[in-house]
Amino acid sequence: TVLTQTPGTLSLSPGERATLSCRASQSVSSSYLAWYQQKPGQAPRLLIYGTSTRATGIPDRFSGSGFGTDFTLTISRLEPEDFAVYYCQQYDSSPPSWTFGQGTKVEVK
Amino acid sequence: EVQVLESGGGLVQPGGSLRLSCAASGFTFSHFGMVWVRQAPGRGLEWVSLITGSGDSTYYADSVRGRFTISRDNSKNTLYLQMSSLRADDTAVYFCAKAIVGVIASDHWGQGTLVSVSS
Repeated sequence: TVLTQTPGTLSLSPGERATLSCRASQSVSSSYLAWYQQKPGQAPRLLIYGTSTRATGIPDRFSGSGFGTDFTLTISRLEPEDFAVYYCQQYDSSPPSWTFGQGTKVEVK
Repeated sequence: EVQVLESGGGLVQPGGSLRLSCAASGFTFSHFGMVWVRQAPGRGLEWVSLITGSGDSTYYADSVRGRFTISRDNSKNTLYLQMSSLRADDTAVYFCAKAIVGVIASDHWGQGTLVSVSS
């Protein structure tokens, strides 16, 4: 399964809404789609798993949705600390493997 | 507090070998799958390998299958990645991460260790 994230770069201002897309080349179980945030020089941070379940400690301005081949990460109001690169990731069970999207960079406009 | 800490990275010549270690603490290590993910300089994330909590099952990306071996020592709470026949395109920061139940994602990541393959 190939994951394609759009746009490659999203230029927004603090307080604006961010909508990030992740499209899969074949259907993905909703249980197996996750989103990560990564800042320069840091490890990825799990935001969302199972398409829409927020990981521990993740603020509710982050939400995930989607079904089948189209998934979305929404940040309702961008805070200064939200400017980063975001990756979607899917788990394939047969055989077990992971695939990451190429990432979307959210930058300050 | 859950912590994972990688070590063992460094500079190695093409064709050489290297073993990465990942020391885990703050959780029952044997109950959770673990993964290795790498990131080439300026590039995105690439899954490398995963291992179940018991260590009985291991899986690899096509790009490393036959050259890398993942293993774990649950008595030492340590994960390993033995890398051989290294190539220039294996140059990356290697992250180890604790998987959540079902190995569908990872909720705790180390800071990574840099592997550079160059002559």
